[in-house]
Amino acid sequence: DAGITQSPRHKVTETGTPVTLRCHQTENHRYMYWYRQDPGHGLRLIHYSYGVKDTDKGEVSDGYSVSRSKTEDFLLTLESATSSQTSVYFCAISRTGSEKLFFGSGTQLSVL
Amino acid sequence: GENVEQHPSTLSVQEGDSAVIKCTYSDSASNYFPWYKQELGKRPQLIIDIRSNVGEKKDQRIAVTLNKTAKHFSLHITETQPEDSAVYFCAASKDTDKLIFGTGTRLQVFP
Repeated sequence: DAGITQSPRHKVTETGTPVTLRCHQTENHRYMYWYRQDPGHGLRLIHYSYGVKDTDKGEVSDGYSVSRSKTEDFLLTLESATSSQTSVYFCAISRTGSEKLFFGSGTQLSVL
Repeated sequence: GENVEQHPSTLSVQEGDSAVIKCTYSDSASNYFPWYKQELGKRPQLIIDIRSNVGEKKDQRIAVTLNKTAKHFSLHITETQPEDSAVYFCAASKDTDKLIFGTGTRLQVFP
């Protein structure tokens, strides 16, 4: 859909390898978020960004890092992937912060 | 930090009946409460939201109520239809701070 793109859509990797997920937006929104979705846990916030180079931790940030060097891109990195990080990862954008988040299509990540 | 609890985890109703999903939040400073709907295999999408200065908001068959004193809010869907079947998430935030979601309710509407 227009406005936000996540890549890759699917990824299978091995335990201990680094993984980077990309979120790209064309809406020029200030706020960007990374959530993970797991059965029984709903959507849990990993990290978020409120501007270029401005990021903060969410509920489940351990094992994850992020970077935002330009408005349109927000990268999520798993430095050394573990099986517990197998999940669906959603990026979301918002013009005004927590209001009216628009989600990407998600990335299915499997860590074997 | 904020904690949002959501009940029930699953809900089955007959087409035409009403459905109610309830959430409680922990941070009394939270002032924004949206609801998102996620159809199978799709992304979550905002369906309705409410601010703390409003007690109730309606949009066609959907309504949300907020009780600030008790720190709980609810989603009401009337005249349910099969296309209402989805997972519904409540959430809470304080100003422009991070949005914290509940664990979700899977609603099934049977014809």
